[in-house]
Amino acid sequence: EAQVTQNPRYLITVTGKKLTVTCSQNMNHEYMSWYRQDPGLGLRQIYYSMNVEVTDKGDVPEGYKVSRKEKRNFPLILESPSPNQTSLYFCASRDTGGSYEQYFGPGTRLTVT
Amino acid sequence: GENVEQHPSTLSVQEGDSAVIKCTYSDSASNYFPWYKQELGKRPQLIIDIRSNVGEKKDQRIAVTLNKTAKHFSLHITETQPEDSAVYFCAASKWGGKLIFGQGTELSVKP
Repeated sequence: EAQVTQNPRYLITVTGKKLTVTCSQNMNHEYMSWYRQDPGLGLRQIYYSMNVEVTDKGDVPEGYKVSRKEKRNFPLILESPSPNQTSLYFCASRDTGGSYEQYFGPGTRLTVT
Repeated sequence: GENVEQHPSTLSVQEGDSAVIKCTYSDSASNYFPWYKQELGKRPQLIIDIRSNVGEKKDQRIAVTLNKTAKHFSLHITETQPEDSAVYFCAASKWGGKLIFGQGTELSVKP
């Protein structure tokens, strides 16, 4: 089954404790992206990757890092989480061919206390 | 910077009525406009999209219209059903890249 997976789905952590949210897709998509969703603000892009070893900042990259060592994986790293990073995070991927449709993962709800 | 404004933020309709959600975008270079439906606790799912070379697209009860001159696009849902209740997001993109989302519309369809 074609899908985007994320882990963990829920995470409660404390300020300053490094964490990684994993994202994996099995559709051989080149383009992958991370968004955060906050009430009243919709979804905002954090980082994106056009292909392996190619990453770039989105609209809200501060406090986040990413890496793209393999085509299928695109982890999101919070080296020193802060309470303002409490949010719902979605990973997405798409093929760079004719379809522009982005496929979203199930989401990770992060709470930083 | 790039911006997408979406209205209304909440919409309540009776089952069988039509619902219309409107979005305005700021970047005239945007050429791809998807609409996503997000049910409570679920991921956004694409329900319909349109590219800038087309003015209207329809899929059963759902249609999207695009006015490039005015830089706005709208989602139309006819014969609404309770299962249409969800949050709907519009978005704009250049060539399928970064999606700039609207703020969302919470649609409630009352039986």
